[in-house]
Amino acid sequence: DAGVIQSPRHEVTEMGQEVTLRCKPISGHNSLFWYRQTMMRGLELLIYFNNNVPIDDSGMPEDRFSAKMPNASFSTLKIQPSEPRDSAVYFCASSPEGPHSGNTIYFGEGSWLTVV
Amino acid sequence: AQSVTQLDSQVPVFEEAPVELRCNYSSSVSVYLFWYVQYPNQGLQLLLKYLSGSTLVKGINGFEAEFNKSQTSFHLRKPSVHISDTAEYFCAVTPRGSNYKLTFGKGTLLTVNP
Repeated sequence: DAGVIQSPRHEVTEMGQEVTLRCKPISGHNSLFWYRQTMMRGLELLIYFNNNVPIDDSGMPEDRFSAKMPNASFSTLKIQPSEPRDSAVYFCASSPEGPHSGNTIYFGEGSWLTVV
Repeated sequence: AQSVTQLDSQVPVFEEAPVELRCNYSSSVSVYLFWYVQYPNQGLQLLLKYLSGSTLVKGINGFEAEFNKSQTSFHLRKPSVHISDTAEYFCAVTPRGSNYKLTFGKGTLLTVNP
């Protein structure tokens, strides 16, 4: 079974540009998460979707960040405009159940974003 | 709210030596506990998790962890490490009944030297 697929794996962009990160969750999983990893702050949950509906976006840092999940097999995280402090690794992850205790969350390999 | 403290940011060991990576958590409610591993330039993958029952949990790659409720700890151990175990290890906690609130520790970088 294919894991969580993210693209692009690496992106270097100039400050002010729009960045779109893409994610395909594991088939059959109805929970999807976007995390951000930095040296300073570690792993932070940005947003959580359940059955394609955003349930918790309290971790989205600013209005410059937006996330969508138009269907069960695709999600995007967009940053517009991007800033150097957005440089981080962004992980998409999925889980087979909704708010249901104890389920494993499966991570993609990450999108490494550098904003110069 | 929950919090996780990984007491060591880096742990260097020699190959075939035992290792313990320490994790303490804080929570006002019952929790489930996880250990994830991140190899260089990869995503996180589950090593093991504690949900209920026996407090000693066995995971992949020979790792095990022990849940200690009184000390609010969930330390990860391996009796003999390999070079390939070099990675970052993350302890995580979630309150029972709410899967998505997974709180991660800052991570421990395990470096296994020959």
